[in-house]
Amino acid sequence: GESVGLHLPTLSVQEGDNSIINCAYSNSASDYFIWYKQESGKGPQFIIDIRSNMDKRQGQRVTVLLNKTVKHLSLQIAATQPGDSAVYFCAENIRGASYGKLTFGQGTILTVHP
Amino acid sequence: KAGVTQTPRYLIKTRGQQVTLSCSPISGHRSVSWYQQTPGQGLQFLFEYFSETQRNKGNFPGRFSGRQFSNSRSEMNVSTLELGDSALYLCASSKGQGGNYEKLFFGSGTQLSVL
Repeated sequence: GESVGLHLPTLSVQEGDNSIINCAYSNSASDYFIWYKQESGKGPQFIIDIRSNMDKRQGQRVTVLLNKTVKHLSLQIAATQPGDSAVYFCAENIRGASYGKLTFGQGTILTVHP
Repeated sequence: KAGVTQTPRYLIKTRGQQVTLSCSPISGHRSVSWYQQTPGQGLQFLFEYFSETQRNKGNFPGRFSGRQFSNSRSEMNVSTLELGDSALYLCASSKGQGGNYEKLFFGSGTQLSVL
């Protein structure tokens, strides 16, 4: 699927809450998925990745869930902090393609209120 | 270990001019990819280089080109600039060895404004 970025979804949470950011992907041939965080004035920063043979992967304060049946990906952030405020992108890599070529989702703006 | 380095950080050009952007990948990374980021289209893949060869190309006109040097550093060039080329241009690098799931690491980008 192509990235569409006209209107970004937004998520506003209070500090300490858990956040869930969702992403739908379109290509059933995608077999590797990555979440990136982008702060203002910076490039995307790698958060966590997951392969298509998994349905859940945990990192530090973050969990990614993959539902291949409905082509859905989610990022859960535990105990959200003001420093988590950023734009979050999911990205997919198609099986057989080199890993330098990713298709990005539109992004979600996360705002964390103290 | 130094991250992906892009220069310059900001550029202002006028329509019709050409521009060259530079990227130094993470040490040991042999694959360099370029992306364009705009508010309207989001992040879009331009091309990828590995061992001085382009191995993937996105859907951009021929005015967008790139190259990679033997030390893995890469440049991208945009000729005959148009207003719509105003964007953040991001470079990313990975080991490029293939066969394994590789993480892609991004630089901070070059913000290009075309007037």
